[in-house]
Amino acid sequence: AQSVAQPEDQVNVAEGNPLTVKCTYSVSGNPYLFWYVQYPNRGLQFLLKYITGDNLVKGSYGFEAEFNKSQTSFHLKKPSALVSDSALYFCAVRDMLRSSNTGKLIFGQGTTLQVKP
Amino acid sequence: DTGVSQDPRHKITKRGQNVTFRCDPISEHNRLYWYRQTLGQGPEFLTYFQNEAQLEKSRLLSDRFSAERPKGSFSTLEIQRTEQGDSAMYLCASSLENSLSPLHFGNGTRLTVT
Repeated sequence: AQSVAQPEDQVNVAEGNPLTVKCTYSVSGNPYLFWYVQYPNRGLQFLLKYITGDNLVKGSYGFEAEFNKSQTSFHLKKPSALVSDSALYFCAVRDMLRSSNTGKLIFGQGTTLQVKP
Repeated sequence: DTGVSQDPRHKITKRGQNVTFRCDPISEHNRLYWYRQTLGQGPEFLTYFQNEAQLEKSRLLSDRFSAERPKGSFSTLEIQRTEQGDSAMYLCASSLENSLSPLHFGNGTRLTVT
């Protein structure tokens, strides 16, 4: 089965420091990977995606993610964290198993990022 | 704002009552998804529409749940005979037909069953 795992329930980082939110995946075939952010009582906002090409993907709000095939990882990164980055982050993989190719996403359980001033 | 719109934002109902939620996707998106999210968990897929056709349903979608998208535009999700375990955030998302397009989510409907 296709899945993603986010090994950390919470990540704490000081403002101005680099941040990393981890994600590992398990797929059959090529992975199509996504990161979303969720603020309290809101829906999910798309940050970035990896389809093919460069292993370093740049996204919204200064975030980037590094795809590593050998480690089956897709970690989210930002060089300098802001307090306003505090939110819930989800890694997701496109479900490519079904022949109808619905485009649906399978999400990890989420990682809470706390950025302290 | 031309994003995905969901109504209502919050719904409190008593066990055994029926509830219906509405989702208006981004107008040019022909794919529409319903997800359910419980506290501390990632969103779980419920069902998917391509235009008006419901093409996939999760095993999570019991026979008390029904979703429609009659004209390929807005969608409704109905839960009959609600149970306390149905309490969750119900999220709607839409996307273009290109399977690599990201999903765009609405702000969700939070259901509380008392």
